[in-house]
Amino acid sequence: AQSVTQPDIHITVSEGASLELRCNYSYGATPYLFWYVQSPGQGLQLLLKYFSGDTLVQGIKGFEAEFKRSQSSFNLRKPSVHWSDAAEYFCAVGVMEYGNKLVFGAGTILRVKS
Amino acid sequence: ETGVTQSPTHLIKTRGQQVTLRCSSQSGHNTVSWYQQALGQGPQFIFQYYREEENGRGNFPPRFSGLQFPNYSSELNVNALELDDSALYLCASSFVAGENNEQYFGPGTRLTVT
Repeated sequence: AQSVTQPDIHITVSEGASLELRCNYSYGATPYLFWYVQSPGQGLQLLLKYFSGDTLVQGIKGFEAEFKRSQSSFNLRKPSVHWSDAAEYFCAVGVMEYGNKLVFGAGTILRVKS
Repeated sequence: ETGVTQSPTHLIKTRGQQVTLRCSSQSGHNTVSWYQQALGQGPQFIFQYYREEENGRGNFPPRFSGLQFPNYSSELNVNALELDDSALYLCASSFVAGENNEQYFGPGTRLTVT
């Protein structure tokens, strides 16, 4: 069965520091991978996606993610975190079976300290 | 371009009642998916509709049902509400169901069952 694991429930970083959020997936076919961000009381906003090609993908708000097939990982990174980045981040894999659904991880809550 | 909208924003129901949640897809999109996000968890896929037909279903009982209308708006109906149905219900629209197109999420409806 398809699954996504985000090992870190909470992460706290200082403003201006670098960030890496971890994501591991389990899926038998070529994965389609996504990172979404959710602010309190809001819906999900797509940060970036990987479908094929270059394994380093750039997204909005200065985020990037690297797909590593050998490690079944799709970690999200940002060189310098801003206080406005505080939110919950979800990694998801797109599953193509009888439609097209997203399987999400449990999320990582990012706190930014000044 | 109008994004995905959902109504109502918040809802309180009593166990055993029925509820209808509504979603308007983003302009030009013909596919809608519904997700349930319990507190502290990632979203879980409920079902997807494409051209007014169910096009995929997650592990939810039949008391969760849906409709998609010719204008691609959608409803999620839940009968015989249980306390565990308390969650944020997210609607997402996309252009085509058969490919891993991006899903654009609405702000959600917060359902509380007492």
